[in-house]
Amino acid sequence: GQNIDQPTEMTATEGAIVQINCTYQTSGFNGLFWYQQHAGEAPTFLSYNVLDGLEEKGRFSSFLSRSKGYSYLLLKELQMKDSASYLCAVMDSNYQLIWGAGTKLIIKP
Amino acid sequence: GAVVSQHPSWVICKSGTSVKIECRSLDFQATTMFWYRQFPKQSLMLMATSNEGSKATYEQGVEKDKFLINHASLTLSTLTVTSAHPEDSSFYICSAREGGNQETQYFGPGTRLLVL
Repeated sequence: GQNIDQPTEMTATEGAIVQINCTYQTSGFNGLFWYQQHAGEAPTFLSYNVLDGLEEKGRFSSFLSRSKGYSYLLLKELQMKDSASYLCAVMDSNYQLIWGAGTKLIIKP
Repeated sequence: GAVVSQHPSWVICKSGTSVKIECRSLDFQATTMFWYRQFPKQSLMLMATSNEGSKATYEQGVEKDKFLINHASLTLSTLTVTSAHPEDSSFYICSAREGGNQETQYFGPGTRLLVL
């Protein structure tokens, strides 16, 4: 079966750095996505990785290792507005998105 | 960037009534649209995939006679929840994929449905 695993909840301090991990097992791979979802809102796109390595975009970076079935989202200089759920999703061989359950990130002052 | 709209954003209805939710791609042609449902504190659950001009493909466990999907044009898909019941109360989100661009899905803002 297809499976995406990520921690249910994480807590971090404002100004700090946090890393949210995602491991996956899917039938085929056409890229891995990270989305941010604030409570009551639809997901918004953060990053897309299809090749191994680190993609940096401002305060957010995303890493992928296809051989390990592993990705992480790194958030630097955390701000209170970063409190949200972070969803990992993998596009399988049929170009369908397989979603993780999301990681709720709580930022404390 | 590409914009997807949904209407209405909020709907409250009585049990047994039908509710139609519209999903529009505003500045691109969406050959494929996806309908998701999300219950509180859970991840997105794909309900169905619709391609313009053809019947929707429903995920296992989703009743196609209850959740009617119409994708009549390249910019509009509708989801009709027929004979809604309280257990259908959820957050319904559509996303759209531009023709030829397999990787990118653009999400609508979602529709919150409350069935009394």
